[in-house]
Order: sequence, then C-alpha cells, then structure tokens
Amino acid sequence: DSGVTQTPKHLITATGQRVTLRCSPRSGDLSVYWYQQSLDQGLQFLIQYYNGEERAKGNILERFSAQQFPDLHSELNLSSLELGDSALYFCASSVEGSGEQYFGPGTRLTVT
Amino acid sequence: DQQVKQNSPSLSVQEGRISILNCDYTNSMFDYFLWYKKYPAEGPTFLISISSIKDKNEDGRFTVFLNKSAKHLSLHIVPSQPGDSAVYFCAASFFRNAGNMLTFGGGTRLMVKP
Repeated sequence: DSGVTQTPKHLITATGQRVTLRCSPRSGDLSVYWYQQSLDQGLQFLIQYYNGEERAKGNILERFSAQQFPDLHSELNLSSLELGDSALYFCASSVEGSGEQYFGPGTRLTVT
Repeated sequence: DQQVKQNSPSLSVQEGRISILNCDYTNSMFDYFLWYKKYPAEGPTFLISISSIKDKNEDGRFTVFLNKSAKHLSLHIVPSQPGDSAVYFCAASFFRNAGNMLTFGGGTRLMVKP
C-alpha cells in the first residue's frame, strides 16, 4: 500500500459525458501528479500540482483539467469524453526534493 | 519521440537465476532514473532509483546500473523469484520548472519460472 488513494476504482460512462477522478496523496506529500496509461501510449504524464499550484504540464488535452485543494487532495476532470479516453488514470505523490513518486491503485475509465 | 525505451517487451528467467532488464534513453538532461514494478490492476510500485552522479545503486536483491556515456541503465534481480513476475518500467526525470515529471519506457514483462 503506497498510501496514495484514488476513487473511484472503475468508471463506465458514455461519450460526451464529464467525469471527475479523485486522488489523496500520501500524508505530508505536497506534490501530486496525474498519469494516463493507455494500451497504445503507455504511461504518459499529464499534469503536476504542488501545494495547490500547477507546476508542470505534459500532453494533457484541453478537455482535461485538474486542481489541488487546500487539503492537498486533487481532482482530474475529463469532459466531452471520447472513446479514446478509455484508459487507466494514475495519481502519484512525492515529497518536495525527492525524485521518487508513489502511485495510487488507479482509476479505470471506460467510455462507451 | 520516445525518450525512454525498453526494447525487450518480455523476458523469461528460471527461478534462482539473474534477471537483467534494460533501458535506454536519449535525453542527456535526465538526471534521475527509477525502476517500477507493476502487477495487473495495480499502480506502479517504486523499486529502486539512481542519480546521474552515481553508476550503481543496490537494494537487497535489486541493483541498478547507469552508464551515462551509453545512455543506458539496467536492473539486475538476483536471485529471481516467481513473485518477481510482473511488468517492469524504467522512468527518467529532470527538474524543469521545479517539476519532476517522469518519462516512462514501454515496460518489460518478466516471467520467472519455478
């Protein structure tokens, strides 16, 4: 158990819909990262937040957005969903200055 | 442009023998490298890491070697155990805008046979 929690574990929704994925980092970690794992693209970095502020951005679609709240939990919002958005979405957290990131169990999103 | 590559999609090893997983990278700005292990339906689990100022780091049965001139790293598992069967990902990072996003390789599936 990494100490990073993600909800929900599974999500099935239709094209065009909007969903919110939630992540709680390990106690004391200020950085939260979101990654997408799809069959054809592997594990891809989406976005990082540090203590409520956006810090780094990867190849995140404009239809996707994220935020980190004062209690440090983070949410990833996916809108206008397409079939190709079906993937595993992982959240990770780390201590400032540490290279190691600890991953949650992921949310499996299926868009039908 | 794949900056981190794991050229072997799978590896099969006998229990008790050494497993060697390889990883190549192209971006010389990477300064921190990590190995993760992943079981199906679970998140990646951190195994071991190495800074670019070192060429070897050891933790129990796991040793990571870094060859900066060749832009190559490897993970050695000795002795291999059936419970080591999983997908292994190498990852690289560099501090850009104070972030340390990870760039992952495509993974190598390790099968350790009893």
